Amino acid sequence: EVQLVESGGGLVQPGGSLRLSCAASGFSFSSYWMTWVRQAPGKGLEWVANIKQDGSEMYCVDAVKGRFTISRDNAKNSLYLQMNSLRAEDTAVYYCARESRAAAGTKNDYWGQGTLVTVSS
Amino acid sequence: EIVLTQSPGTLSLSPGERATLSCRASQSLSSSYLAWYQQKPGQAPRLLIYGASSRATGIPDRFSGSGSGTDFTLTISRLEPEDFAVYYCQQYGNSQRTFGPGTKVDIK
Repeated sequence: EVQLVESGGGLVQPGGSLRLSCAASGFSFSSYWMTWVRQAPGKGLEWVANIKQDGSEMYCVDAVKGRFTISRDNAKNSLYLQMNSLRAEDTAVYYCARESRAAAGTKNDYWGQGTLVTVSS
Repeated sequence: EIVLTQSPGTLSLSPGERATLSCRASQSLSSSYLAWYQQKPGQAPRLLIYGASSRATGIPDRFSGSGSGTDFTLTISRLEPEDFAVYYCQQYGNSQRTFGPGTKVDIK
């Protein structure tokens, strides 16, 4: 069974840092792109970043460029999101998701339950 | 950046009725790069449709997707009580993925 379990969320002051983790199991982690998506309270989904299987390519939304870094450790079946210079507008539930690419289409087919990050003084 | 617009913002319907949700892209997309998700309060999103029209594993056949280019549609043929939720489209057409703002389907 595919499982994605996020951790590392919590309350942090503006300007602070936090590192989110996503532990993957039940599939060949090193064979998939992985993604972070966030959702501010009462708002819609926002794609944050993704990373290629071997970590050689990474992309992120403009709102977090220069502040957030996505990374992975295939030996540990883990995905990370290092978040620096946090702002109030980064307050959200952060989900990790697996991105599957096939001829029939690309999709985020498995999602974790999310971890809440609150940026507040 | 590819911007997705969803309409209507809210759809008020009764169980058994048909729901038609629209997703429009700011530039043409390959059909392979459009997906639909369902989200209920307090839950993670759930994949419904990928490649514009392929149902994900375990998704009932009352859910169907169609469209091409810039206009895509999610149809729920007969609403069941568990279908009242928020629905998002997402594009994978370029390196910066984006979601639409969502359509809430609520009970009339």
